[in-house]
Amino acid sequence: NAGVTQTPKFRILKIGQSMTLQCTQDMNHNYMYWYRQDPGMGLKLIYYSVGAGITDKGEVPNGYNVSRSTTEDFPLRLELAAPSQTSVYFCLSNRGGGLNTEAFFGQGTSLTVV
Amino acid sequence: DAKTTQPTSMDCAEGRAANLPCNHSTISGNEYVYWYRQIHSQGPQYIIHGLKNNETNEMASLIITEDRKSSTLILPHATLRDTAVYYCIVRVDGTSGSRLTFGEGTQLTVNP
Repeated sequence: NAGVTQTPKFRILKIGQSMTLQCTQDMNHNYMYWYRQDPGMGLKLIYYSVGAGITDKGEVPNGYNVSRSTTEDFPLRLELAAPSQTSVYFCLSNRGGGLNTEAFFGQGTSLTVV
Repeated sequence: DAKTTQPTSMDCAEGRAANLPCNHSTISGNEYVYWYRQIHSQGPQYIIHGLKNNETNEMASLIITEDRKSSTLILPHATLRDTAVYYCIVRVDGTSGSRLTFGEGTQLTVNP
């Protein structure tokens, strides 16, 4: 198992550009999440999904969109990049269906908007 | 949603036990307490989780009070590589399922 794979690892965007952060897991997990972490801060939940075709907003969803067409993939879309979106983004998955499940994190995507 | 409160930072001498506290006074009866840590800007790493009973694994021990309103993560023999931010998380239920909400965490610095 590769676990949770995020791409790219690093990216620099200009203001107003768009991009998609990719997240793929091969563990057949139902639950997937996107977090952002600003320098020196904790993790903030952007969006999450409890299964293919179902997504929900987290704490900080503005400026982002997600889709979940398959169990494996949970891409995060930035349509009009802003400097406030400079952050490190983490994707997480777990089996769900109960509370006693371990979560697996990707290694993160460092995004800088200039 | 149950929230957690942790100290912002703690120091520990190398080789000594590191005891990291967490308050979760609004925890529900079926919510678990999870601990993760993050070293530099790497992806957070799972450490341990528990419901009521104390738990121990190869990394740490988790002590949960009887009323479940607080818990303590114990690293029995801290090393320099244990320097990280430690997150205490309570599993919450959203409108469409469960989600994990992180607080600010505790910056643990292990000193030589």
